[in-house]
Amino acid sequence: GQNIDQPTEMTATEGAIVQINCTYQTSGFNGLFWYQQHAGEAPTFLSYNVLDGLEEKGRFSSFLSRSKGYSYLLLKELQMKDSASYLCAVVDSNYQLIWGAGTKLIIKP
Amino acid sequence: DVKVTQSSRYLVKRTGEKVFLECVQDMDHENMFWYRQDPGLGLRLIYFSYDVKMKEKGDIPEGYSVSREKKERFSLILESASTNQTSMYLCASSNRLDYNEQFFGPGTRLTVL
Repeated sequence: GQNIDQPTEMTATEGAIVQINCTYQTSGFNGLFWYQQHAGEAPTFLSYNVLDGLEEKGRFSSFLSRSKGYSYLLLKELQMKDSASYLCAVVDSNYQLIWGAGTKLIIKP
Repeated sequence: DVKVTQSSRYLVKRTGEKVFLECVQDMDHENMFWYRQDPGLGLRLIYFSYDVKMKEKGDIPEGYSVSREKKERFSLILESASTNQTSMYLCASSNRLDYNEQFFGPGTRLTVL
């Protein structure tokens, strides 16, 4: 079967750094997306990785290791507005997205 | 900006009713998707469409049907709503499948009583 694992919930402090992990077992791999979803809102695109390594975009970075079936999203200089759920999604061999359940990130002052 | 709109943010229906959820995108995207999102579960694909009048079953199509008569519009139909279809329904669209970045609508929270 296909499986995406993420922690259910994480808590971090404003101004700090947090790393959200995602491990996957899927039928094929054609890329990995991270999306942000604020409560009651639509998911919005954060990052896309298809090759191994780190992609940096401002305060957010995403890392991929295809051999380990592993990705992480790194959020720096946390702000209160970063409180949201973070969704990991893997593109499988049929180019469909397989979604993790999401990680709810709580930021405390 | 890509815009995906859904006909209702909140909907309350009774068991056995026929329910229509409408989704419209304004960016001429080829691909459209319907998901449901439930607590503790990832987004689960109900149906998707690669082109007008085309539809493909996703992972959980039972109890649902879809219609795509125009490129910009993708409708989800619950033929006879049941309480286990109470959920958040999200519509999405994308331009390419080889890079399947999906743009989502705001969602419809459906409650079936």
